[in-house]
Amino acid sequence: GAVVSQHPSWVICKSGTSVKIECRSLDFQATTMFWYRQFPKQSLMLMATSNEGSKATYEQGVEKDKFLINHASLTLSTLTVTSAHPEDSSFYICSAPSGQNPRDGYTFGSGTRLTVV
Amino acid sequence: GENVEQHPSTLSVQEGDSAVIKCTYSDSASNYFPWYKQELGKRPQLIIDIRSNVGEKKDQRIAVTLNKTAKHFSLHITETQPEDSAVYFCAASRGEYGNKLVFGAGTILRVKS
Repeated sequence: GAVVSQHPSWVICKSGTSVKIECRSLDFQATTMFWYRQFPKQSLMLMATSNEGSKATYEQGVEKDKFLINHASLTLSTLTVTSAHPEDSSFYICSAPSGQNPRDGYTFGSGTRLTVV
Repeated sequence: GENVEQHPSTLSVQEGDSAVIKCTYSDSASNYFPWYKQELGKRPQLIIDIRSNVGEKKDQRIAVTLNKTAKHFSLHITETQPEDSAVYFCAASRGEYGNKLVFGAGTILRVKS
């Protein structure tokens, strides 16, 4: 079945630095990738939708200059958290439609636990 | 945009009893409704899904019902087991390629043995 590989699984960084998270679709082409953020004991909140070859669409309240999204190929989407601060510490997870048919559902990456100190 | 509400936020049941989690959605164009089980620090795992042309779907101990008129859908787990303890999320999407998935707030299910 469709697999999305997400790296790193966890990262600790200092305040003010940037962190890049990668999601790769391993055996299918993902022209669309959804990026979610999940704070402890909360739901998955959609941050942005990336589309291969075009600009990402950000949800209301999400700073596009802080959360840089690049979807340069059909198998790779990246999220860069720039100038990270402790309040950015969260679980970040990507998801892509598993196929062109809506019945295929969605495939999730394994998530990245970001801790900013 | 779509808004998905989920209740209850926590649910404790005795092993062997049934558990029911309910969700409502706002976008009448939504037609794909998956349910996910998430364990701490892990990705959501799809446990069952339903589309708007079906009213009910069952897979062993798990069933989902959909009332499109009322815009609500429910997850039913029968004969609960301790390993069913987890966080469960409902979600909704318009179902076409590229449509985003909007999640409910989640339900913490505890099955007491």
